[in-house]
Amino acid sequence: GQNIDQPTEMTATEGAIVQINCTYQTSGFNGLFWYQQHAGEAPTFLSYNVLDGLEEKGRFSSFLSRSKGYSYLLLKELQMKDSASYLCAAADSNYQLIWGAGTKLIIKP
Amino acid sequence: IAGITQAPTSQILAAGRRMTLRCTQDMRHNAMYWYRQDLGLGLRLIHYSNTAGTTGKGEVPDGYSVSRANTDDFPLTLASAVPSQTSVYFCASSDSREGNEQFFGPGTRLTVL
Repeated sequence: GQNIDQPTEMTATEGAIVQINCTYQTSGFNGLFWYQQHAGEAPTFLSYNVLDGLEEKGRFSSFLSRSKGYSYLLLKELQMKDSASYLCAAADSNYQLIWGAGTKLIIKP
Repeated sequence: IAGITQAPTSQILAAGRRMTLRCTQDMRHNAMYWYRQDLGLGLRLIHYSNTAGTTGKGEVPDGYSVSRANTDDFPLTLASAVPSQTSVYFCASSDSREGNEQFFGPGTRLTVL
């Protein structure tokens, strides 16, 4: 079957670094997406990885290992506005997205 | 219009009533999707459309129907609402020419009593 696993909740301190992990199993694979979702709002796109390795975009980086079925989202220099849920989604062979339940990130001052 | 719009923003509905959630995009994306999002669960795909004139069933299609008469509009209909359809509904669109990133509408919060 198809499955995405990510932690339910994480807590980190303002200014610190946090890594959110995601493991996936899909029928075929056409890339891994990360989305950010603030409470009561729609998900917004953060990153897309289809090749192994690290993609850096400002304070956010995303890593993919296709052989391990594993990805992580790295957030640096955490700010209070980064408090949100982070959704991992893998694209299957038909480019349909299989979504994880999301990781709620709580930032403490 | 900029991006994707959904209507209504929220709705309280009596069980057994018929309801259509509207979704319109102005990005000329070929693919559109309807998801529901419930606490503790990931986004679950209800129906999708890869191009105007075609639709397909997602993970949780029962009790819902869709149509795609043109590129821009993708309405979702609940023929006879039940309380288990209480959820937040998101419409999204994507295009293979833009890397298949999905863009989401603001959502419709539906309560069925």
